Amino acid sequence: DAKTTQPTSMDCAEGRAANLPCNHSTISGNEYVYWYRQIHSQGPQYIIHGLKNNETNEMASLIITEDRKSSTLILPHATLRDTAVYYCIVRPDQIYNQGGKLIFGQGTELSVKP
Amino acid sequence: DTAVSQTPKYLVTQMGNDKSIKCEQNLGHDTMYWYKQDSKKFLKIMFSYNNKELIINETVPNRFSPKSPDKAHLNLHINSLELGDSAVYFCASSQSGSYNSPLHFGNGTRLTVT
Repeated sequence: DAKTTQPTSMDCAEGRAANLPCNHSTISGNEYVYWYRQIHSQGPQYIIHGLKNNETNEMASLIITEDRKSSTLILPHATLRDTAVYYCIVRPDQIYNQGGKLIFGQGTELSVKP
Repeated sequence: DTAVSQTPKYLVTQMGNDKSIKCEQNLGHDTMYWYKQDSKKFLKIMFSYNNKELIINETVPNRFSPKSPDKAHLNLHINSLELGDSAVYFCASSQSGSYNSPLHFGNGTRLTVT
């Protein structure tokens, strides 16, 4: 499984965009980039995923570089409730991924400050 | 209207006891998982079940026995509890065969073994 590298921690001012980077230089063609977050004492929450194209949903945007070796999760207007650990995960397409498991790394601890 | 629910939320017990954690999902998914999050906050997959069949067993001790009575339920029974079993256990579900169905997690069961 491809490995991801994320900064250990980041700060962001409330109301500003939070840009969380992730490196996945060994990603292969059938692997998707997933982002989850874990707010204290809760289960991991799915945010977004993508393969090649940039993706946007009601929570965030995902920007994947053309060579797919890195990506950025963007929270456009961070609030205090966005304080959490954010995990960038590379996951093979389910047809190659027996059981569909996700492998979590250390993640980035994002602190949104007033 | 919780999608993935676990009971109990907290479980405190003594070494050597046997305990069970229950998980139910109402998303209609056919794949369910157990993850363990230790004191260092690493999330590791333990088991994956698809249509009541064990797909993944990540070298978990025999004292841990998952049971899936139907697609909507995956219970975790732990025999002869040890101090090292203290952790937060998360249940999750997803749909196989569909376009990279994300995993949806419950809010965890915090197990404390004394």
